[in-house]
Amino acid sequence: NAGVTQTPKFQVLKTGQSMTLQCAQDMNHEYMSWYRQDPGMGLRLIHYSVGAGITDQGEVPNGYNVSRSTTEDFPLRLLSAAPSQTSVYFCASSSPGEGRIEQFFGPGTRLTVL
Amino acid sequence: LAKTTQPISMDSYEGQEVNITCSHNNIATNDYITWYQQFPSQGPRFIIQGYKTKVTNEVASLFIPADRKSSTLSLPRVSLSDTAVYYCLVGGNAGNNRKLIWGLGTSLAVNP
Repeated sequence: NAGVTQTPKFQVLKTGQSMTLQCAQDMNHEYMSWYRQDPGMGLRLIHYSVGAGITDQGEVPNGYNVSRSTTEDFPLRLLSAAPSQTSVYFCASSSPGEGRIEQFFGPGTRLTVL
Repeated sequence: LAKTTQPISMDSYEGQEVNITCSHNNIATNDYITWYQQFPSQGPRFIIQGYKTKVTNEVASLFIPADRKSSTLSLPRVSLSDTAVYYCLVGGNAGNNRKLIWGLGTSLAVNP
């Protein structure tokens, strides 16, 4: 199993540009999430999904869109990039279960918005 | 949503046992306590999870008192490779809600 994969690893955008961060998992996990990690802030939840066709907002959803058309993929779209979106983005997946919150994280995408 | 409080940083030496304590005063009845480890430029990695009393696996132990308002991650005989940030999370599968709050974590430095 490849686990959780993310592409690209690094990206530089100009303000106003749009792009999609890709996330895929091959563990047949129903739950997937997107986080951003900033220095001194810890991880913050952007959006999450509990299954194909179902998404919900996390703590910091503004400026981001998600969709979940398949179990495997959970892309994150930046509609109009802003310098405040410079961050490291992590995708995670997990299986549902009573109390079980073991999430598997991807390697991250380091995004810089100029 | 239960918030957690843990020390910002800790220092240790190779071969010592390290205990990191996390406070979670408003933990809910159905919340579990989970610890993750993160190395620089990598995503967090699950270490251990528990609900009450003590849990042990091949890398760590987790001690949870009866009131569950705190928990302690114990790393036996640390090595240089245990230098990382350790996060304590509290939450559970409350229906479809998987929102968890990640604090700043504890930055553990293991010295030779």
